[in-house]
Amino acid sequence: KQEVTQIPAALSVPEGENLVLNCSFTDSAIYNLQWFRQDPGKGLTSLLLIQSSQREQTSGRLNASLDKSSGRSTLYIAASQPGDSATYLCAEGTSGTYKYIFGTGTRLKVLA
Amino acid sequence: EPEVTQTPSHQVTQMGQEVILRCVPISNHLYFYWYRQILGQKVEFLVSFYNNEISEKSEIFDDQFSVERPDGSNFTLKIRSTKLEDSAMYFCASSEADTSVGYTFGSGTRLTVV
Repeated sequence: KQEVTQIPAALSVPEGENLVLNCSFTDSAIYNLQWFRQDPGKGLTSLLLIQSSQREQTSGRLNASLDKSSGRSTLYIAASQPGDSATYLCAEGTSGTYKYIFGTGTRLKVLA
Repeated sequence: EPEVTQTPSHQVTQMGQEVILRCVPISNHLYFYWYRQILGQKVEFLVSFYNNEISEKSEIFDDQFSVERPDGSNFTLKIRSTKLEDSAMYFCASSEADTSVGYTFGSGTRLTVV
């Protein structure tokens, strides 16, 4: 059974810190991995999409990496800001299906 | 930037009633999806829809659920006889192709069954 795990479940950091969020997946037939941001009571905003053939993707202060062999992805946030406070979700897409399997999320709080 | 639009944003219904959740996917997208998120839990896949038929569904998507694309723009999720445990945030998503290009999600409909 596919499982996606995110560690830590919650994280609180002072403004300006660089931080890393972790995502682990069990299915080696990964097709791609998508990182999302979710604000309380709101929808899912796509941040980065990494294809299985890629090792990393960057957008502004965000950098996501993918290591298929170890079943891990990381989301690096540089120079964190209070506006980055949200829940960050990773989701694995696998070959032969139309669905994403989501992790439980990391709830991030950046303190001013 | 194109958006996936969901209506209503919040719906309260009595147990046993039928509800229809509505979504307008991005106009040139071909694949459509419904997910749900029970409060405090993971986002869970319900169903995918392509070429006017269901392409994949989860164990959650039982006979009380159905999806439809009644016209060229709307995509609906119907729950025939709601139960308390159907209370959740329901998200619609669409994509140009399958998961290879990623999804765009709507902002969700919060369904509360009382």
